[in-house]
Amino acid sequence: DADVTQTPRNRITKTGKRIMLECSQTKGHDRMYWYRQDPGLGLRLIYYSFDVKDINKGEISDGYSVSRQAQAKFSLSLESAIPNQTALYFCATTGVGSNEQFFGPGTRLTVL
Amino acid sequence: GNSVTQMEGPVTLSEEAFLTINCTYTATGYPSLFWYVQYPGEGLQLLLKATKADDKGSNKGFEATYRKETTSFHLEKGSVQVSDSAVYFCALGDGANSKLTFGKGITLSVRP
Repeated sequence: DADVTQTPRNRITKTGKRIMLECSQTKGHDRMYWYRQDPGLGLRLIYYSFDVKDINKGEISDGYSVSRQAQAKFSLSLESAIPNQTALYFCATTGVGSNEQFFGPGTRLTVL
Repeated sequence: GNSVTQMEGPVTLSEEAFLTINCTYTATGYPSLFWYVQYPGEGLQLLLKATKADDKGSNKGFEATYRKETTSFHLEKGSVQVSDSAVYFCALGDGANSKLTFGKGITLSVRP
């Protein structure tokens, strides 16, 4: 089984809709991250969490929110989706003191 | 702040050709350096890493040396295969926060 799973893998939604992307990990790590990938821009950090009570904004957090329901679960929400949020979204996790992040397979989100 | 600059792509090579992908960085302190690879339809996976100056990371025939004097971490492979076709990301790790700063990525296509 995969160490980091994301659901859904693909999602098409309409402008203004609320959508939640979910991430679970079985590596037992405390730290979790959400990124978006856009062609030619690489990966950009949206939010990150060091534990259930510690959530931090990344470089592009506007329009997004997150919830850390448990050590193993970290969800990303778009309260009112807009077309420029169309992207590939990745969840990642790592342990304390490490920079080696383990990535999920990604969620391809299209906002029409 | 930290930043990573990768050479512009895409890159197309014939099988068995020599590969070099340039990566330079800007950072304070002593970051760790990484190369991640993304195969079509998949998430990112760690290819190799180096944690201090002059370290050489290697994996699957790929190598990169952490050069502090030139702030570089160029990726090389002596003989590429069709199966190496993927997107390659150079990344810099902020040890304190376990955050990664990614380059924009470069697409490598290897033709038979």
